[in-house]
Amino acid sequence: EAGVAQSPRYKIIEKRQSVAFWCNPISGHATLYWYQQILGQGPKLLIQFQNNGVVDDSQLPKDRFSAERLKGVDSTLKIQPAKLEDSAVYLCASRAGTSGGTDTQYFGPGTRLTVL
Amino acid sequence: GEDVEQSLFLSVREGDSSVINCTYTDSSSTYLYWYKQEPGAGLQLLTYIFSNMDMKQDQRLTVLLNKKDKHLSLRIADTQTGDSAIYFCAERQPSGTYKYIFGTGTRLKVLA
Repeated sequence: EAGVAQSPRYKIIEKRQSVAFWCNPISGHATLYWYQQILGQGPKLLIQFQNNGVVDDSQLPKDRFSAERLKGVDSTLKIQPAKLEDSAVYLCASRAGTSGGTDTQYFGPGTRLTVL
Repeated sequence: GEDVEQSLFLSVREGDSSVINCTYTDSSSTYLYWYKQEPGAGLQLLTYIFSNMDMKQDQRLTVLLNKKDKHLSLRIADTQTGDSAIYFCAERQPSGTYKYIFGTGTRLKVLA
């Protein structure tokens, strides 16, 4: 079974530029998460999708971050314009959407963003 | 509150046992998880425990849950150099949204 794919793996941009990240979840997984992981911290949820609908985006800085999951499969996360404090690893995770403890998240390798 | 706290560092000798601790604040969380993160990689699920259990063993891993004190621990027996990584505990919120709150992570260093 293929895992969660993310691209690019690394991105360096200057502040005020725009950037987009792409995630392809595990086939058939209904739920998709985007997390921001700042160096030395645990992942912080930015947005959660159930199929193509948003379940939770309470911690997404909506003035500069946007995300979509068209057709309920792939997802893109965009930052426009980027700030220095956006430097972090952006993790995508997916979950099948059944029940029980084994129905947990599977993470992609992440995209490391550096904003100069 | 939603804070999940862990100590930042742990150093052990190869072959010894490692114990990584976690405290959480939401007593109604249903499942608690341990993840491992190696450099440049995403998080890998190690094990989980349901909130009505107090212990779970899985090969070299033992999870202990004290719901009264909201304390979770992960014991790794016979720690190997390949166990060097950052370990995160996480709690799954009880609502139907399947939201996960992660701890700050414990960096485990195994000395040969």
